[in-house]
Amino acid sequence: DTAVSQTPKYLVTQMGNDKSIKCEQNLGHDTMYWYKQDSKKFLKIMFSYNNKELIINETVPNRFSPKSPDKAHLNLHINSLELGDSAVYFCASSQGLGVEHPWTGELFFGEGSRLTVL
Amino acid sequence: DQQVKQNSPSLSVQEGRISILNCDYTNSMFDYFLWYKKYPAEGPTFLISISSIKDKNEDGRFTVFLNKSAKHLSLHIVPSQPGDSAVYFCAASLNRDDKIIFGKGTRLHILP
Repeated sequence: DTAVSQTPKYLVTQMGNDKSIKCEQNLGHDTMYWYKQDSKKFLKIMFSYNNKELIINETVPNRFSPKSPDKAHLNLHINSLELGDSAVYFCASSQGLGVEHPWTGELFFGEGSRLTVL
Repeated sequence: DQQVKQNSPSLSVQEGRISILNCDYTNSMFDYFLWYKKYPAEGPTFLISISSIKDKNEDGRFTVFLNKSAKHLSLHIVPSQPGDSAVYFCAASLNRDDKIIFGKGTRLHILP
């Protein structure tokens, strides 16, 4: 039973198209993230949502728009795809902060979605 | 602007020996450090973490050492096992609420 699942796993598309990547977590976590791993292998945070509210928005082009319909889902929509958007996109989740949940820095990642823009 | 640096892209270690993975950071305000492990075609998985108020944290075969004055941390795996072959990411955050910043990773090969 997958904890953090992303779809699709692979996505090949043409420049200029619009695409979405979906993410769902069944861990009951309050916080969800999108990370991008580019060709240089850096894992960079893009967005973070806590209980459907955007809390981290890194310097990401406006063409990227996250949407969180509920705290178990965080989807990533990308408009007007460019060659440089080719990367592996990872969704992750973590438990919300609180006395009963000491923060360990543990993020639970999905398997990644490899986006190739031609 | 690499705030977390892993200068060794790869490392090969004999099975049974100690693996030492190194990480340097530039921001002295980081107060939490983490190691993640990643197998091909999978997402990273959390391995071990350490708060800046400590200099060592141990969990089974894995020990993380933190040297704040040198802005350096290391992950020791002993004894190394074949299943330890993976990419290891060092990461850091400013506080509990902040984003986690990852290094580029070091690929560890455990040789039979």
